[in-house]
Amino acid sequence: QVQLQESGPGLVKPSGTLSLTCAVSGGSISSSTWWSWVRQSPRKGLEWIGEIYQSGTTNYNPSLKSRVTISVDKSKNQISLILTSVTAADTAVYYCARGSGRFVGWGQGTRVTVSS
Amino acid sequence: DIQMTQSPSSLSASVGDRVTITCRASQSITKFLSWYQQKPGKAPKLLIYAASNLQSGVPSRFSGSGSGTDFTLTISSLQPEDLATYFCQQTDKAPYTFGQGTKLEIK
Repeated sequence: QVQLQESGPGLVKPSGTLSLTCAVSGGSISSSTWWSWVRQSPRKGLEWIGEIYQSGTTNYNPSLKSRVTISVDKSKNQISLILTSVTAADTAVYYCARGSGRFVGWGQGTRVTVSS
Repeated sequence: DIQMTQSPSSLSASVGDRVTITCRASQSITKFLSWYQQKPGKAPKLLIYAASNLQSGVPSRFSGSGSGTDFTLTISSLQPEDLATYFCQQTDKAPYTFGQGTKLEIK
C-alpha cells in the first residue's frame, strides 16, 4: 500500500520561501499516476495547490501559479513543493496526495506557520 | 473557478439515524464529484468518487447520488465512528475545488 509522508520546516518568515517534500513508500513515484499538493486552513478550507505527473508535467491552481513550483525526484521517490513570497495567508496544513482531482491517498499533513 | 456549497454546515444525529448531506456546484459538473471524510487531526479520506462509486474498503452504509449541479451523501445508519467532517469536491475542471464542509456530531 502506497504511503505518503510530508516533511519540512514548520515555521517560515513572511516574504520567505516554503519548501516541503513528500516521500512516497510502498510504490514507485514513476507509476502511472498524478501526485498533488493540497492545503487546509481555517480561513480558506481545503485548497488544491497543484499536481505533477511522473513525467514532470504540472498543473497549478491559477491563484497560486506565480508562486508555486512542484517537482518530482525519481531517484529519491519523492515530490517537492516550493511556495515563494509567503504571507500569513499561506499558514495551513499541507498535504500531499495521490491522484489527479480524485485523491485516493493522503499523507498525514504537515503544519506550516508563516510568522516572524 | 467552480464553487461548491454544502448544507448543512453542521448537524447532530443519533446512532442508527439516516443522515443526508447535500452539495451544490455553481455549474454543471456532470458526475465529477467526490466525497471525503475527515476525522479530527487526520487527513481526509476518499469515500465516494464519480458521484456514486464507493471507494474500496468504505462501508456500504455510505452512498452518493446526483448529477449536474446537485449531489447528496447519505449514511444509511449512523455509527459512532462516523463522527467527522465531510467534504464534497468537484473533479471536473481544475482548479479542483472543495465544499466548506459539514461537521457531523453524534447525539
